[in-house]
Amino acid sequence: GQNIDQPTEMTATEGAIVQINCTYQTSGFNGLFWYQQHAGEAPTFLSYNVLDGLEEKGRFSSFLSRSKGYSYLLLKELQMKDSASYLCAPMDSNYQLIWGAGTKLIIKP
Amino acid sequence: GAVVSQHPSRVICKSGTSVKIECRSLDFQATTMFWYRQFPKQSLMLMATSNEGSKATYEQGVEKDKFLINHASLTLSTLTVTSAHPEDSSFYICSAWRGQTEAFFGQGTRLTVV
Repeated sequence: GQNIDQPTEMTATEGAIVQINCTYQTSGFNGLFWYQQHAGEAPTFLSYNVLDGLEEKGRFSSFLSRSKGYSYLLLKELQMKDSASYLCAPMDSNYQLIWGAGTKLIIKP
Repeated sequence: GAVVSQHPSRVICKSGTSVKIECRSLDFQATTMFWYRQFPKQSLMLMATSNEGSKATYEQGVEKDKFLINHASLTLSTLTVTSAHPEDSSFYICSAWRGQTEAFFGQGTRLTVV
C-alpha cells in the first residue's frame, strides 16, 4: 500500500532551525512535494524534489533520498508566520499526489 | 499572484439545495484538474480527477451523481454538490498542474450546509 509518515506536531523557537522528516512508500515514484498549509486555507507549494540531494530555496530547503524513501524540509530563521502545517506529498507512478496528515509546526517567541 | 482561482471561498446553503464551485487556471491551460476534500485536522482526500472534454474519474467511495464535475474548457472545471446535506459540509480544494512539476491549488471553498 501507499503510506506517508510525518510527525504529527513539532514545536520550535522563533529564529531557530527546524527539520521536518517524512518517510514514504508509494507505487512508483515521480518526485516529492512539500506544501505549507495555514489553518483554514489551501496548501501552498514550497518545493519539488525528483533527484537525490538538497534543494535550497531561501529559508526553506528540501532533501530527498529515493533509496531510503525519505525526505526532509528544513526551515531556517523561523518566523512566527511559519506556524502552519507542512505536508509531504510524494507522487506515484500515475502522477497522483499521495497525501498524509501533515506536521503541525508551532513557533514560540 | 494566484495562478488557480477558486470561487466561492465560502458558501452556506440549505439542506437539499445544490452548490457549484468553480476552479480556473488563470495563466495556463490545464487538461487535468483535481478536486479534493478536507475535513478538519485531516489530510486532503482526492475526490476525482477532472479531464477536459471527457468524464471525470472518481475515487472509490465518491458518489459521482452527487458530486458532478464538468471540465468544459482548458481553464475551467466545476464541482457541483447536488442535494447537499450537513455531512457534505467540508473544505473543497481544486488543483491544476502547470507542466509536470508544478501543482497549484485554488484558495479552497468552505461549504456549510444547514
